[in-house]
Amino acid sequence: DTGVSQDPRHKITKRGQNVTFRCDPISEHNRLYWYRQTLGQGPEFLTYFQNEAQLEKSRLLSDRFSAERPKGSFSTLEIQRTEQGDSAMYLCASSLAGGPNTEAFFGQGTRLTVV
Amino acid sequence: AQSVTQPDIHITVSEGASLELRCNYSYGATPYLFWYVQSPGQGLQLLLKYFSGDTLVQGIKGFEAEFKRSQSSFNLRKPSVHWSDAAEYFCAVGARYGGSQGNLIFGKGTKLSVKP
Repeated sequence: DTGVSQDPRHKITKRGQNVTFRCDPISEHNRLYWYRQTLGQGPEFLTYFQNEAQLEKSRLLSDRFSAERPKGSFSTLEIQRTEQGDSAMYLCASSLAGGPNTEAFFGQGTRLTVV
Repeated sequence: AQSVTQPDIHITVSEGASLELRCNYSYGATPYLFWYVQSPGQGLQLLLKYFSGDTLVQGIKGFEAEFKRSQSSFNLRKPSVHWSDAAEYFCAVGARYGGSQGNLIFGKGTKLSVKP
C-alpha cells in the first residue's frame, strides 16, 4: 500500500493521559498536514510541515498539542493531558510541494475517544 | 474571514436521479476550490478541483462542478446517482499561496443517502 498510513486507527484513553499518533506519508511527498474532524464537522487544519520544518500552526493547536517530523518522513502528533473535547478523528495528509496541481492525499485517520 | 457553507446537512435521492450539492464560500479573492468525498471509516478522496479557466470542471466518478463567481458558489452535480455514491461530501477552499492544496478550509459536509 503506497497511500498515507496512520496508526493507530482507533485510540481510547482516559482523560489526563497523553497520546501519540503516527502518520507515514506517501514516500516522495515532502509536505505533511494534520487535520482534526469532530462529529458533524468538516476537517479543520491543525498544522503542516515541509520536510522537517513546521511551517504553519492553527490557533486550534493548543499548548497541549505538539507535532514533529524529525527526519522529514513520518510525523507524530502528541496530545498531552487529554480532555474530552479532544475526542475527534485526526487526519493526516501529504502532498508534493509545488504548484496548483499538487493534490493532497488523506489517510484513513485515527479516531480518538477520551473517556 | 474565510469560510465555506454547505447548506444541506443531509440529502436523500433515488438511485438514477440527478444530484446537486450546494457550496458557498467567503473569501477575499478567487480561491482554489475542491470537492472531497468521505465514505464511512475512510479518508477523504478528491473528486475535483477548480483553479482557473473553464468554470465547469469534470471530476472522477462522473461528478462535475461549476464555479460561479457572482454567486460565490461551487455546486457539485451528477446526472445519475448510483447507490455507491452514498457518502459524505465536503466542499473546501484553499489559499492562493504556496501552491499547496493541503491547507484547506472545509465546509461541514453534506451526507448523501441513496434510495433504491
